[in-house]
Amino acid sequence: EAQVTQNPRYLITVTGKKLTVTCSQNMNHEYMSWYRQDPGLGLRQIYYSMNVEVTDKGDVPEGYKVSRKEKRNFPLILESPSPNQTSLYFCASSLSLGQSLRVEQFFGPGTRLTVL
Amino acid sequence: DAKTTQPPSMDCAEGRAANLPCNHSTISGNEYVYWYRQIHSQGPQYIIHGLKNNETNEMASLIITEDRKSSTLILPHATLRDTAVYYCIVRRSDTDKLIFGTGTRLQVFP
Repeated sequence: EAQVTQNPRYLITVTGKKLTVTCSQNMNHEYMSWYRQDPGLGLRQIYYSMNVEVTDKGDVPEGYKVSRKEKRNFPLILESPSPNQTSLYFCASSLSLGQSLRVEQFFGPGTRLTVL
Repeated sequence: DAKTTQPPSMDCAEGRAANLPCNHSTISGNEYVYWYRQIHSQGPQYIIHGLKNNETNEMASLIITEDRKSSTLILPHATLRDTAVYYCIVRRSDTDKLIFGTGTRLQVFP
């Protein structure tokens, strides 16, 4: 089954304790992206990647890091989490525009993060 | 990227057609109209997209006005499972980026 998976689905942590949220897709997609969703603000893009070893900042990248060493994986790293990073996080993937005119993005199930 | 305007909420009776409007009066020629929906706090789900012609798939129909300044997503026979937030997104043809607004919360009632 074609899907985007995220782990963990729920995480409660404390300020300053480094954490990683994993994202994996099995559709051989070039493009991957991370979003955060907060009440009243909608989904905002954190980082994206056009392909392996190619990453770039989205609209709200502060406090986050990403890497893209393999095509299928795109982990989100919070080196020193703070309470303002408490949010619902979504990973998404799609074929890149060069591969298809239909570039629907497939979203993972979400990771609900609470930073105390 | 063009901005979109959607009503914050709508109701629809089960079995009836749900018509969700979207205004994108500043859309430019190379921008597509996409619709996604988000059920509760699940990941958004692609529904349909179009450039200037009307489109239909197994989930919905998309009607785009001739001047492309507005569109309507039609769910022909709404069910309770269609209760969700529906996002209208205008997307340039040369970018993978999606910019989500606050969407329309559709409530389907029995």
